[in-house]
Amino acid sequence: AQSVTQLGSHVSVSEGALVLLRCNYSSSVPPYLFWYVQYPNQGLQLLLKYTTGATLVKGINGFEAEFKKSETSFHLTKPSAHMSDAAEYFCAVSDPSGGSQGNLIFGKGTKLSVKP
Amino acid sequence: GAGVSQSPRYKVAKRGQDVALRCDPISGHVSLFWYQQALGQGPEFLTYFQNEAQLDKSGLPSDRFFAERPEGSVSTLKIQRTQQEDSAVYLCASRPVGGGTQYFGPGTRLTVL
Repeated sequence: AQSVTQLGSHVSVSEGALVLLRCNYSSSVPPYLFWYVQYPNQGLQLLLKYTTGATLVKGINGFEAEFKKSETSFHLTKPSAHMSDAAEYFCAVSDPSGGSQGNLIFGKGTKLSVKP
Repeated sequence: GAGVSQSPRYKVAKRGQDVALRCDPISGHVSLFWYQQALGQGPEFLTYFQNEAQLDKSGLPSDRFFAERPEGSVSTLKIQRTQQEDSAVYLCASRPVGGGTQYFGPGTRLTVL
């Protein structure tokens, strides 16, 4: 069975500081990995995804994540936080071999606050 | 359409009432997913459709939950005899043929009093 652990339910950074949101996964097969962002009262928006190939993945809004198989991690980073980055972030995994389905397994989320 | 839409955005129900939540996926998307997001939690999978066929309903928490997609486009999630523990945001996502990214709607926030 697959699972996702996001370390830290709340992370607070100052504007301009590095953002690091941690995600570890458990999967018996090489997974597909995703980061989604959720603004208040809105749905989930895809930030970036890893399927195959290059392990450093660049996404929207200056975010990137690196797939590290040996550490079973897919941490999300951004060099310089903006006030508009304040939101909740979800890491998710899917099994690419799970038939045609590929439903997502989500972590519990990390709420990012950005201080001026 | 421009994106996945869901209606209503907010629903308040008295315990024991039946509710119906609607999802309009992106036009042409074959796959449709329903997820339940409890307060302070990540979304959890409920059910999956490929066109009109419900291929997986393993995440539905009880037989009070029922989903359909009769013409392979719009889907409805129905909850019968609602209970307080059903209070959550219900998210719908669609995905094009061939797999890839799931696109989420804004969700329906259900509150059962």
